[in-house]
Amino acid sequence: AQSVSQHNHHVILSEAASLELGCNYSYGGTVNLFWYVQYPGQHLQLLLKYFSGDPLVKGIKGFEAEFIKSKFSFNLRKPSVQWSDTAEYFCAVNTNAGKSTFGDGTTLTVKP
Amino acid sequence: EAGVTQSPTHLIKTRGQQATLRCSPISGHTSVYWYQQALGLGLQFLLWYDEGEERNRGNFPPRFSGRQFPNYSSELNVNALELEDSALYLCASSSDRVSNQPQHFGDGTRLSIL
Repeated sequence: AQSVSQHNHHVILSEAASLELGCNYSYGGTVNLFWYVQYPGQHLQLLLKYFSGDPLVKGIKGFEAEFIKSKFSFNLRKPSVQWSDTAEYFCAVNTNAGKSTFGDGTTLTVKP
Repeated sequence: EAGVTQSPTHLIKTRGQQATLRCSPISGHTSVYWYQQALGLGLQFLLWYDEGEERNRGNFPPRFSGRQFPNYSSELNVNALELEDSALYLCASSSDRVSNQPQHFGDGTRLSIL
């Protein structure tokens, strides 16, 4: 069975600090990887995705993620966070069978 | 473009009752996904519908069921409600069954079981 693990449940940073949120998955086949974000009071929305090509993908608002196949990882990064990045972040894996598996989410709090 | 809409926003039921939750996907989207998000837990995959057919389901008992209509809207039915069914139920849609397409989420239906 596939699973997604997000290592940090709650991360607290000051503005301008660098961010890296870990995501590891377990699945032996072809996967498509996503990071979604949920800002306070809003619905989940796509941050970025990877399904082929350059393993370093860039998303909205300066976020990027790197797919490392050998490590089954898809970590999310941002060089300098802002207060407006305070949100909950979810890593997700889709398989070709259409099953979507989400991690438990990481709550990011950015202090102004 | 209108987003994914879910109704009702909040539903209160008692144990043993049945609940019906509704979802309208983004226009043109044929795939609908249902998730359960219990308090403090991540999103648990429930069901995936595409072109009117159930394509996959998560590890939930058969009392969780649903359907997709010809206009691609969908219903989630939960029978014999239990206290632990209290959760936020999210619906998402995507443009086709290809798994590299992102999902677009609605605001959810909060189901409370008394």
